[in-house]
Amino acid sequence: AQTVTQSQPEMSVQEAETVTLSCTYDTSESDYYLFWYKQPPSRQMILVIRQEAYKQQNATENRFSVNFQKAAKSFSLKISDSQLGDAAMYFCAYRLMNSGNTPLVFGKGTRLSVIA
Amino acid sequence: DTGVSQDPRHKITKRGQNVTFRCDPISEHNRLYWYRQTLGQGPEFLTYFQNEAQLEKSRLLSDRFSAERPKGSFSTLEIQRTEQGDSAMYLCASSFVETNEKLFFGSGTQLSVL
Repeated sequence: AQTVTQSQPEMSVQEAETVTLSCTYDTSESDYYLFWYKQPPSRQMILVIRQEAYKQQNATENRFSVNFQKAAKSFSLKISDSQLGDAAMYFCAYRLMNSGNTPLVFGKGTRLSVIA
Repeated sequence: DTGVSQDPRHKITKRGQNVTFRCDPISEHNRLYWYRQTLGQGPEFLTYFQNEAQLEKSRLLSDRFSAERPKGSFSTLEIQRTEQGDSAMYLCASSFVETNEKLFFGSGTQLSVL
């Protein structure tokens, strides 16, 4: 079974600084998606960034970028120029890329605090 | 369209009572998912529908849980004879099958069983 591990229950960062959230996963498959979701106090899960495993280039969305290391099964999220609105729970998630449907598998999350 | 909506946002019930939650997905989305999230954990998959067909159920979904999506639009999740262990946030998400990897989540229903 696929598993996703987030080893940092809590992280904090000063406003305008950079922070990296860690994620590792376990799978024997070669084709899959990886995601970072943000869950603010409003509780709605918001997709931050997505990476296809077949792509070597790391995904980037404005201030958010990932470091995808397929061989190491590592998928970290870097947030640059941190803003107060970035404070939230961040979940790493995995899903098989196949013709059927497999559900998202989430990690336990990392709570990010942004200090003004 | 304002996204995935869930009702109610909060539900407090006594052990042994039945509860029902509703999810209205984004209108053109044909896939609808239910997840459960307990404190300190990430969401766990419960079940999903493609149109009105329930295609997969997790082992987490005991016989006391039933989900329906009668017309392929909104969905309901019913829990019978609630137990304290059912206390959790129940999240609904939807997607369009052609872009299945993009799930849009609702804000969840927080269930507290006393």
